[in-house]
Order: sequence, then C-alpha cells, then structure tokens
Amino acid sequence: GQQLNQSPQSMFIQEGEDVSMNCTSSSIFNTWLWYKQDPGEGPVLLIALYKAGELTSNGRLTAQFGITRKDSFLNISASIPSDVGIYFCAGPDGQNFVFGPGTRLSVLP
Amino acid sequence: NAGVTQTPKFQVLKTGQSMTLQCAQDMNHNSMYWYRQDPGMGLRLIYYSASEGTTDKGEVPDGYNVSRLKKQNFLLGLESAAPSQTSVYFCASSNGGLGQPQHFGDGTRLSIL
Repeated sequence: GQQLNQSPQSMFIQEGEDVSMNCTSSSIFNTWLWYKQDPGEGPVLLIALYKAGELTSNGRLTAQFGITRKDSFLNISASIPSDVGIYFCAGPDGQNFVFGPGTRLSVLP
Repeated sequence: NAGVTQTPKFQVLKTGQSMTLQCAQDMNHNSMYWYRQDPGMGLRLIYYSASEGTTDKGEVPDGYNVSRLKKQNFLLGLESAAPSQTSVYFCASSNGGLGQPQHFGDGTRLSIL
C-alpha cells in the first residue's frame, strides 16, 4: 500500500517561533489531510486540501498542497505552548486513508 | 456533542484472554474504522466498515475480528490476546467516499501481559 514520510520526526522550538513540516508520498494524491494529536487524545482534523497548489489557513496554521501532488506542507506561525503534540499527514489509499508516522512538536517556554 | 466514543479507555489483559473494544458514533456516519497506533509508526488500519453489516480488512487485521451490526456501533474483538497487540486503539468514523476526513475517538490503551 501507500506510504508517507514526514519530516522532521521531532522538533523542539521556542515559544513564538514559526514551524514548518512536510509530508511526502511516492504516489500522486488528490487529497491531503493534516491532523493534530494532543497527548492522551485522538487525532483532530486541522486542514483538508483537495487541489494541487491549494493554500489553506486555519488560524495560525497554513497548509499547502504541493504542485507535484506528491507532497504537502504545514506551517505554524508564532507557536504557543498548546501547539505541542503530534502532527500527522494523511492521503487517500483506495477507500481509506494512509497516515504518515507523525512529527512530534515540543514548544519550550 | 459526543462524536466518537470508545470504551474502555484503559485495559490490561493476560496473554490468551479475549475482549471486545467498543466504539459508538452519533454523527450518522456510514463508514467506521479501527486503527492501532504504535510508537513511530503512525496509525495503521486494522479493519473498516463502509456501511452497516459490511466489514473489510485493513493493513494489519491478523488476530482481530470486527462486527458492525448497527450503523452507530463498530466492535473490535481480540480472540486470544498476544503481547504484540499491546497498543493504543483508535476508532474513527466518516461520511465515507473518497476524500472524506475521519473523526477519531480518544482511544483505548490496551496492555497485554
């Protein structure tokens, strides 16, 4: 089946810094999803992308659907402590979705 | 505003024991899913159900069985628990169809001794 790679695997940043992470696939996707998982909870959908080149924002979060359709990017501006968690990308795999291994974000005060 | 509810939240089993993880959704979604989450491996699909009464295998179905007798419920069974099944299990639901995002429960943390 499909496999996704996420980079970086983990990152430690200072509060107030901007964050960038990405997700790549060996196959072309027509949908990209970004989820966040808080400690001890299930993943929550942040942003859904449906068109190559699409740039979508949700508050301080901005995600882009790569023009090659094999990658997607998530940026967080002016990070705050509650941004801590694991960020997952997901793309379609038949009738379902395949998830990347996640980027673990830690925010230092 | 419950969304997807999983029970129990925590469970410890001995090797060879059986149990059923329960999942209920109140969003009238057609599709439901069971995933397991292990460190560094993201979410892996165990089984899914595209509609009431139908189920299909996902990426890692061995050692598990499922039941979707009612639209709002999706049950995951472990017939004979093994230590390799120690994991966090997530249930999700969606309206189904390509590109429809999934909504997740808060997980069941299962330890097999």
